[in-house]
Amino acid sequence: GAVVSQHPSRVICKSGTSVKIECRSLDFQATTMFWYRQFPKQSLMLMATSNEGSKATYEQGVEKDKFLINHASLTLSTLTVTSAHPEDSSFYICSARSQGQNLRLTEAFFGQGTRLTVV
Amino acid sequence: GDSVTQMEGPVTLSEEAFLTINCTYTATGYPSLFWYVQYPGEGLQLLLKATKADDKGSNKGFEATYRKETTSFHLEKGSVQVSDSAVYFCALTKIYNQGGKLIFGQGTELSVKP
Repeated sequence: GAVVSQHPSRVICKSGTSVKIECRSLDFQATTMFWYRQFPKQSLMLMATSNEGSKATYEQGVEKDKFLINHASLTLSTLTVTSAHPEDSSFYICSARSQGQNLRLTEAFFGQGTRLTVV
Repeated sequence: GDSVTQMEGPVTLSEEAFLTINCTYTATGYPSLFWYVQYPGEGLQLLLKATKADDKGSNKGFEATYRKETTSFHLEKGSVQVSDSAVYFCALTKIYNQGGKLIFGQGTELSVKP
């Protein structure tokens, strides 16, 4: 399958600082990227959907000013957690999808995730 | 709205036992259905998928059949191995609506003992 690379895999930052997480599609053009958050032993919660070249669409309850998403190219999306707090500590996972001819067969490929710890 | 419900875990089995993880969904239209697996500390990997009613997805000995009449997509494996220990997520997507985002079930943790 296609490869999605997420970086860094782990990051520890101090409260009040900002952290940027990158998500790259290595061998395909990702027209859409998704950012999820996963709390321990829980499911994935979709935070936002981004389409290349346009503003991200955030899910209800997700602060767009706190979680900045940029999808400037077809192979790269970034999530920046601004003014991080300990409650932002979580596992963040991106996924990328390309728009094929037969949309029903298009699947999303996931990055390996980023464990963020805010101290 | 659309949703996915999985059986609660954790599920603990002995090696070579038969596995069933139940998954039911609520959705309008014709969703595609997926099973993803997450090994400790990693992201998600697609395990199998089915895009229309009566399709059977299969991979690595796992199978699931898209049953529209019962709105189910149960995951099965005839003989589990210790290496199958992971968290399994059932998910659906509707490409033509909602931008193709995935809606996940809560996940089921599987632990296989030697």
